[in-house]
Amino acid sequence: DAGVIQSPRHEVTEMGQEVTLRCKPISGHNSLFWYRQTMMRGLELLIYFNNNVPIDDSGMPEDRFSAKMPNASFSTLKIQPSEPRDSAVYFCASSLGLAGGPHYFGPGTRLTVL
Amino acid sequence: DAKTTQPTSMDCAEGRAANLPCNHSTISGNEYVYWYRQIHSQGPQYIIHGLKNNETNEMASLIITEDRKSSTLILPHATLRDTAVYYCIVKDYGQNFVFGPGTRLSVLP
Repeated sequence: DAGVIQSPRHEVTEMGQEVTLRCKPISGHNSLFWYRQTMMRGLELLIYFNNNVPIDDSGMPEDRFSAKMPNASFSTLKIQPSEPRDSAVYFCASSLGLAGGPHYFGPGTRLTVL
Repeated sequence: DAKTTQPTSMDCAEGRAANLPCNHSTISGNEYVYWYRQIHSQGPQYIIHGLKNNETNEMASLIITEDRKSSTLILPHATLRDTAVYYCIVKDYGQNFVFGPGTRLSVLP
């Protein structure tokens, strides 16, 4: 099993640019989660999907952030326009069902916005 | 209010058992105890979870007190690669994971 796959692993961009982070969940998992980790705020849940449908996006910081899951094997998190305060490590995780099974995390994307 | 309390940091000698405590005095009957760890620059890694009974898997053992107000994660023979931040999380099946600051475990040679 390849585990959760994220790309890119590192992204450096300039303020105002659009950033797209990608995630491939573990095959067979039907729930997908996007987290953000910073030194100041720790690990925060941004949004999660169940069966490709967004369930709760209350953690998304603002309208500049959007996430999609067009099919069971792919999700994107987009930031447009990006700002320096968006610099963080973004993790994708997947699980089997919403009912509390363990989340399996990807390696993360380290985003730096200059 | 945080549901769990963990020490900020701990040291353990290589080859010895690492015992990581977690207090969750307000845990409710439906809430499970989960443990994750995060090795530097990697994503959090699921370790183990339990409700009432002690649990063991290939990575660790989880000991939950009878009143369920505290638990201990045991790494039986710590190695240098076990150096990480360990998170204790209490949640029921309908809730999301909320990660606190965790315990920074340093395994020393």
